[in-house]
Parts: sequence; C-alpha cells; structure tokens
Amino acid sequence: EIVLTQSPGTLSLSPGERATLSCRASQSVSSYLAWYQQKPGQAPRLLIYETSNRATGIPARFSGSGSGTDFTLTISSLEPEDSAVYFCQQRNTWPLTFGGGTRVEIK
Amino acid sequence: EVQVVQSGAEVKKPRESLKISCKASGYSFTNYWIGWVRQMPGKGLEWMGIIYPGDFDTRYSPSFQGRVTISADNSITTAYLQWSSLKASDTAMYYCARGGGRTEGGHFDFWGQGTLVTVSS
Repeated sequence: EIVLTQSPGTLSLSPGERATLSCRASQSVSSYLAWYQQKPGQAPRLLIYETSNRATGIPARFSGSGSGTDFTLTISSLEPEDSAVYFCQQRNTWPLTFGGGTRVEIK
Repeated sequence: EVQVVQSGAEVKKPRESLKISCKASGYSFTNYWIGWVRQMPGKGLEWMGIIYPGDFDTRYSPSFQGRVTISADNSITTAYLQWSSLKASDTAMYYCARGGGRTEGGHFDFWGQGTLVTVSS
C-alpha cells in the first residue's frame, strides 16, 4: 500500500503568514492527491482534489501543487479560522490511504 | 442539495454485532462510490473501504478486510458498515463520505456527521 508522510507534524504561525504543508508518497500517485481540513468535533472537509483543484466554496488562499510523489498545500495568508488538522489522501491505487496529518496552529 | 446523514451513536459490548448506516440524498446514488473512514480518539483518518452502489463493487483496506462488511441498499439510497463481533479497539468515530464516479474512485467531497461507536464491557 502507498504510505503518505506529512510534514511537519505541527505548524505554528501568525495570521497573515504563509503556511506550507508537505505530503510525500512512498510511490507515485500521479496527480490523484487530495487535501482535507478537519476542525475539532467536525467531519473532514475536502479542500483540494487532483493535486490543485479547489473544491466548491474553498477560498482562493488555499492552493495545491506537486506531482508523482511530492505534494504541497499552501495557505497564502493564514486566517484565524484556518486552525485545524490537514490530511492528504491518494486515490491512485487501492487501497486508498491518508497521511498522518499536519496540525496548523494560529498564534 | 447533496446530503449524507449517518445513524446515531452506539454503545455496545465486546462480541456484539453492529450495523451503522449512511443515508445519501440529492444525487444519483448508484453513480458515485461511498466510502467509510475510521478515526480513533485523538488520531488521524484511516480508510476502511468503499462500495460502488451501481454494481456493488466493494474494496477494503487490508487492515479492515475480514473485520467489517460494507453493503448498500439502492432502494433506500443507504450504505452500511457492519461488524459481526466487536472489540474494544473498535471504539472510534466512523465517517461515511461520497467518492467520485466509477472510474474516479475516492476523493471524498460530501461527508456524513460521523457515528461514534463505543465498545465497552
């Protein structure tokens, strides 16, 4: 199975700063990578699919890039409401897999 | 409007059986995969398995194969996750979510609210 490794484990930044989250796959997932945001007590929410496509209603400050084995989620200018855990997920190969998550804290 | 609504919280004893449900509406149920995801307390997301209601093609994570059964009833646009013999380690929040079309597999765009399953003697 494809293992997705997310880094860093925790990111602590101030409002307005840029956040860069990494997701590395143990083998190529082509462009079939998604990102989700999960806030405490809530279900995950799809942010980005197929590497770089924003889901409906997702603000433009969220963007995704990468291909093959290395992917990045960028939040261009952090808002207080972006405090959450972010997960990547691949759909290139069965079984589907999630990364372990990156916690983003807003100072 | 697409909606995915899960059944309510459950408290069960070890070795008991359980079936939780996921009612989908607002789209063509048979044209999209529906997946199940486990989240243990304070932990990350684990993909359990997925079903395509159009032809009942079902895939499981090796970690869950043989431990759970995923099914669907197209007449009531509902997917199910069931256990025949629960363990304390099955205590977790379980989410269902809509995936993509037949050839698109699973990026999950609409999620249920989660079903909390507690297994304790």
